[in-house]
Amino acid sequence: NAGVMQNPRHLVRRRGQEARLRCSPMKGHSHVYWYRQLPEEGLKFMVYLQKENIIDESGMPKERFSAEFPKEGPSILRIQQVVRGDSAAYFCASSHWPAYEQYFGPGTRLTVT
Amino acid sequence: DQQVKQNSPSLSVQEGRISILNCDYTNSMFDYFLWYKKYPAEGPTFLISISSIKDKNEDGRFTVFLNKSAKHLSLHIVPSQPGDSAVYFCAASAAFPQGGKLIFGQGTELSVKP
Repeated sequence: NAGVMQNPRHLVRRRGQEARLRCSPMKGHSHVYWYRQLPEEGLKFMVYLQKENIIDESGMPKERFSAEFPKEGPSILRIQQVVRGDSAAYFCASSHWPAYEQYFGPGTRLTVT
Repeated sequence: DQQVKQNSPSLSVQEGRISILNCDYTNSMFDYFLWYKKYPAEGPTFLISISSIKDKNEDGRFTVFLNKSAKHLSLHIVPSQPGDSAVYFCAASAAFPQGGKLIFGQGTELSVKP
């Protein structure tokens, strides 16, 4: 049973470009969560999605960030017009239902130059 | 406002001894607590969890204790092994107003010396 998959593992973008991070949940999981880890900090919740629905986006910055989890395909975290402060590790997690045990992917390390 | 705190950034123990990692929280609405282990350049790995209706949960070498009155939980690893060296995060969640979101502490880096 494959775990949570994220791609790319590493992403380098210049300031002003767009970043697209993809997450495929574990088989049978329909709940996806995105977290961000800034250097020397813990993980911070960003957004919680179910298929075609955003359930909780209380941790998402108000501008430039968006997330989706379409009926088919992976969940996408999109960052428009990236800035240096967006450089971080972005982790996706999934769960079977709104259970508390969330299983994490390996992360995408975004570097903005 | 840091709702989940791990006040020790690092901990060093000898192989075979007990490791005790601590975590404090402020939000009395939290009803589920989890511990994750993280190696560099990898995602967090779920270790063990505990519901607020319990005060102890055990899984092999790992035991989590919850003291609701003190808003404190701890993870005990006995016996500690060099492979346990990693960063440990505690996390908390509340069913209301909406389940799903995990609030993480800052992490404690455990080093187990052979």
